[in-house]
Amino acid sequence: GIQVEQSPPDLILQEGANSTLRCNFSDSVNNLQWFHQNPWGQLINLFYIPSGTKQNGRLSATTVATERYSLLYISSSQTTDSGVYFCAAFSGGYNKLIFGAGTRLAVHP
Amino acid sequence: GAVVSQHPSWVICKSGTSVKIECRSLDFQATTMFWYRQFPKQSLMLMATSNEGSKATYEQGVEKDKFLINHASLTLSTLTVTSAHPEDSSFYICSARQGNDSPLHFGNGTRLTVT
Repeated sequence: GIQVEQSPPDLILQEGANSTLRCNFSDSVNNLQWFHQNPWGQLINLFYIPSGTKQNGRLSATTVATERYSLLYISSSQTTDSGVYFCAAFSGGYNKLIFGAGTRLAVHP
Repeated sequence: GAVVSQHPSWVICKSGTSVKIECRSLDFQATTMFWYRQFPKQSLMLMATSNEGSKATYEQGVEKDKFLINHASLTLSTLTVTSAHPEDSSFYICSARQGNDSPLHFGNGTRLTVT
């Protein structure tokens, strides 16, 4: 099946810093999503981005489908950005959404 | 739009009993729903794909007789953990999508503790 790898596994930032999270996937995809999981376990849907670039406030994401990777940019990080960020890819051939291992982000004041 | 509701949000049960978790798509119909499990500090692992009107498709290593899935309507899928044991304690999350070109939307999850 499709493999999804995320890097880095852990990230510590000072408030106000910028960061880039990366997601590599092993097969062509027709769905790529980024999530933020809060301390209560809720998965917040950040981006649905099978290709191209999208922006939402301080967050933006880019997927280069032909090179099989996606990037999540966090600018001017805040303590409320802390949590786990997951990338998940859906391959039509496998008909399932597979999650990466996640990036655990801690933003300190 | 595209809200997925999951119930209960947490449950504690005794070893040997069964627990049912409901997953509903509130404002759309979903022919397919997905059930995931997440252990502490780990990622979400797909357990099974729930198909309306037909049998669920289970991932390798997931016991279909232990985790019963019923997708009786286009808005409701249920997961029943039968004869629960402490090792079944986990966070269970369901998801659904409106169509093949739509994102998956997730419920808020159910935290199961088996004592």
